[in-house]
Amino acid sequence: AQSVTQLGSHVSVSEGALVLLRCNYSSSVPPYLFWYVQYPNQGLQLLLKYTTGATLVKGINGFEAEFKKSETSFHLTKPSAHMSDAAEYFCAVSRGGGTSYGKLTFGQGTILTVHP
Amino acid sequence: DADVTQTPRNRITKTGKRIMLECSQTKGHDRMYWYRQDPGLGLRLIYYSFDVKDINKGEISDGYSVSRQAQAKFSLSLESAIPNQTALYFCATSDGQDMRGYTFGSGTRLTVV
Repeated sequence: AQSVTQLGSHVSVSEGALVLLRCNYSSSVPPYLFWYVQYPNQGLQLLLKYTTGATLVKGINGFEAEFKKSETSFHLTKPSAHMSDAAEYFCAVSRGGGTSYGKLTFGQGTILTVHP
Repeated sequence: DADVTQTPRNRITKTGKRIMLECSQTKGHDRMYWYRQDPGLGLRLIYYSFDVKDINKGEISDGYSVSRQAQAKFSLSLESAIPNQTALYFCATSDGQDMRGYTFGSGTRLTVV
């Protein structure tokens, strides 16, 4: 079975500050890992994903995440927050193959607030 | 037009009523999914279908049923709605080869009173 834990249901930063959203996962097989963003009253948009290869993954809107197998983590960062980054962020994991392939298990979400 | 279209966008229904949420896609993907989102719980998988003849229960299928009418259509039914089924429901599709094509619809906000 897979699971995802996002540390901190709410994170607040000042505009221009570093954004760090934490995600830890458990998976019995090599995982595929994802970050999604949800703006108010909208669906989910893929920010970035890790499947194989380079462990530092760059996504849209200046976000990046690093897959650390030894720490079972996939934390999301952005060097400088912008007001438009205010949203809810979801980390998700999928098995890298087999019958569970394509099924996503989500974390509980982290609401990011950006202060002027 | 959106790649994944959900109807209705919003719905209020009474306890005990049967309701169907519909999803259609133009991505040409074989795989389709229904998730529900609850505050503080993230998204949880209700049902998924890897092709027209393949339907599988997800994490929280009790009280729900689905129908895959065609490759492009995947409907979710609540046979007898109850208040704790009040949630935001998302349909999603994916390409069977890799995860690049995982696309979500805009969601259906369902309220059961």
